[in-house]
Formats: sequence, structure tokens, C-alpha cells
Amino acid sequence: GAGVSQSPSNKVTEKGKDVELRCDPISGHTALYWYRQSLGQGLEFLIYFQGNSAPDKSGLPSDRFSAERTGGSVSTLTIQRTQQEDSAVYLCASSQRQGRGNEKLFFGSGTQLSVL
Amino acid sequence: LAKTTQPISMDSYEGQEVNITCSHNNIATNDYITWYQQFPSQGPRFIIQGYKTKVTNEVASLFIPADRKSSTLSLPRVSLSDTAVYYCLVGGSSGNTGKLIFGQGTTLQVKP
Repeated sequence: GAGVSQSPSNKVTEKGKDVELRCDPISGHTALYWYRQSLGQGLEFLIYFQGNSAPDKSGLPSDRFSAERTGGSVSTLTIQRTQQEDSAVYLCASSQRQGRGNEKLFFGSGTQLSVL
Repeated sequence: LAKTTQPISMDSYEGQEVNITCSHNNIATNDYITWYQQFPSQGPRFIIQGYKTKVTNEVASLFIPADRKSSTLSLPRVSLSDTAVYYCLVGGSSGNTGKLIFGQGTTLQVKP
């Protein structure tokens, strides 16, 4: 596709349910990032995938959060036993990372998650 | 990781030039400086990127002093549509550990 695609665009769930958020990066981009943005706040780093390397999970807020990237392309962010404080916009970004410090991130439109 | 500091908010009027400065005192030698713009209900989008001195494109200019400990995004003749949050981002040069951390951003409000 032409850009980063995220689905669903909106997700309403009940407290305690599990949710899966999907990200399709730009074809050929080796790096993929997940960020979380609460209302009126900045972007909170969650997890980073680069090629076949082990992901950097240092930003995941709890063990209820996990993410995987299959075949170096599509990524899924899973939140188990959702809580109301998980309500936020979840943004995915990809880049053609070359390790030279000049990468440019391309963002999707995000998934608005609402936990009731 | 290089931490960035920006003003939380700025106001301007249509037609004025707006300069937003970002401090990044512990920038690494190979780090670039990148600015993103975010409108409500959208993901951030790339505006401009630079390493040193001055960079200009059709949207903005980026000024970086010799010590690279700060940078200034310059938006010429802003319009109402430039009302957005602007993020300064530093990093990406650390190979496989080069995760990119966003600061709080600067909310620019352009008034008629």
C-alpha cells in the first residue's frame, strides 16, 4: 500500500476483554514502532522492531501488553485484560531504517481504543 | 538517548513567521534532528530533517547551530491550517537500539 495502515480505526471494548490492534507498514520498511497517545498528551513509546533482531520492548507499560511482527511485515499489538487506563490512540509507524540516524517515520492514522 | 525540551505552547497570527526552538543537550554525534507535525485525529507527519547548519524545504526551515545542542524550526507566514502540535525528535543513529522517543511537543495556535 501507499502508506501505513492500521485497523481497526476505532475499537470499543469492555474492561477485562482482550484486544488486538493491527499495523501494516509500508512495504520494504524494516523498522516498525508502536506508540500510545492519551488525550492531549504526547507520544509514549511502546515497542520497536528492527528487521530480524529481538524487539525493544522497554516501553511496554505492563505484561498485559505484547506485540509481534510476523515475516518482518505486519505487526499486531495485543492488550490482555484491558483496563480503562488503556484507553488511548495507538499509533504505528514504519521507517526504512539504515542505522545512519536519518530515518524518517511514516505514521498510520491510529486506532482509537475505548475501554468501558 | 537524547532528551528534547520544547515550549509547551505558542500563539501566533496569520502571516507571521513562527520559530520553535528545541533543546537537545546530549545529542549524539551521528544523531539527526527531525521535526514532525500532528493534526488532531491524525498520526504525526514528517516536516523537515537536518544534521547541521540550515535546511530548507517547501514547508519550513531548520536552523542548527554549530554545537547542535538546539535547533529551531521556522515556519514562514503561517496560516490557520498550521495550527498543530510540532515535535522535535533526535536520535536514530544507535543501530539496533536506536528507538525514537518523542517529547511533549509544542502546540501552535494560529489566530486570524
